[in-house]
Amino acid sequence: DTGVSQDPRHKITKRGQNVTFRCDPISEHNRLYWYRQTLGQGPEFLTYFQNEAQLEKSRLLSDRFSAERPKGSFSTLEIQRTEQGDSAMYLCASSGQGGELFFGEGSRLTVL
Amino acid sequence: AQRVTQPEKLLSVFKGAPVELKCNYSYSGSPELFWYVQYSRQRLQLLLRHISRESIKGFTADLNKGETSFHLKKPFAQEEDSAMYYCALTMDSNYQLIWGAGTKLIIKP
Repeated sequence: DTGVSQDPRHKITKRGQNVTFRCDPISEHNRLYWYRQTLGQGPEFLTYFQNEAQLEKSRLLSDRFSAERPKGSFSTLEIQRTEQGDSAMYLCASSGQGGELFFGEGSRLTVL
Repeated sequence: AQRVTQPEKLLSVFKGAPVELKCNYSYSGSPELFWYVQYSRQRLQLLLRHISRESIKGFTADLNKGETSFHLKKPFAQEEDSAMYYCALTMDSNYQLIWGAGTKLIIKP
């Protein structure tokens, strides 16, 4: 499968714990995006990388959230001291020059 | 602020009937508009974009700058069209998308 892959698919954690999600984009894509989606809503932009550079970060993203793409390939999204409001589906997408976003299946976070 | 509005959370039509999923946007510049679709238990995928002017799976969408709309249409709905449909807008070449809340389309047999 050469599509975008995300891991884990589902994470259940207790409030206050740290969680990390991983995204492997399509290999030739230089752009990588993280989105968050809650029930009944469309995806909400979190952050964007071009190669290894994090070019944009949503103002809605608190300091507890951090994302990296160290070698311009895979990316990680870490949430520290999770809160119940962090429960959501975290979507990763990648794109090449054409602009079409290719999405992963998402990582569902449940904070108890 | 830029915003995408999909006024219908749920749209249910019979097979063979015409379908129109509404999308309105607020943006003063020249956005690029997209429709993404998510079939049951599948990932989000691009359905069409206005600059392509294509018909995909029988769906078309015309950008109406006067009405700031990008409605998705299909003349004869099929059961396999049942899915969640999202309208999205980008303002720049980074393709950071602003999304509507989505419309769930149910095609009844």
